[in-house]
Amino acid sequence: GAGVSQTPSNKVTEKGKYVELRCDPISGHTALYWYRQSLGQGPEFLIYFQGTGAADDSGLPNDRFFAVRPEGSVSTLKIQRTERGDSAVYLCASSPVPGTEAFFGQGTRLTVV
Amino acid sequence: QQQVKQSPQSLIVQKGGISIINCAYENTAFDYFPWYQQFPGKGPALLIAIRPDVSEKKEGRFTISFNKSAKQFSLHIMDSQPGDSATYFCAASTNDYKLSFGAGTTVTVRA
Repeated sequence: GAGVSQTPSNKVTEKGKYVELRCDPISGHTALYWYRQSLGQGPEFLIYFQGTGAADDSGLPNDRFFAVRPEGSVSTLKIQRTERGDSAVYLCASSPVPGTEAFFGQGTRLTVV
Repeated sequence: QQQVKQSPQSLIVQKGGISIINCAYENTAFDYFPWYQQFPGKGPALLIAIRPDVSEKKEGRFTISFNKSAKQFSLHIMDSQPGDSATYFCAASTNDYKLSFGAGTTVTVRA
């Protein structure tokens, strides 16, 4: 596709459930990032992939959060035992190489009820 | 805690006027300062960026002013248009990928 694609656009889940959020980066982009944006706030860094490996996962809030990018393209952010405080917009971005402009997707709005 | 402080939280400007958004930071290791524009339901889009070796950068109606000694930088939107109504975020990073964002400024341009 022409841009970064994130699915689903919206996800409502019950507290304690497991969710997966998908990101399709721009074709050929080696760098991929996940950010989380709470209402009325700026995005907060979660994790950065260079190729298949997580080069920096220092922003993941706890061990309930995990992300993979097994083939160096599509990435999945996984959240176990969801809590109401996890409700936010999860943004994915990609760039051709690190240090160049990052292109953001439209985000997945996660609501935990 | 927020590494980049942004103000104001919101502003209203008349069409044709100048919008000014300010940001301040503490980490002197920051070496990349981008501004992003975000419309409702969309992801942030890079507007303009600056590195600390220059004090000003202009692209069309958008200008970044950078004051390294004061650890401040600002975005000026000249000749503001209704289509500029959006939320603007300043950001900073030390390595170009791990961006620390400000809290955002909602700009409303009145026709």
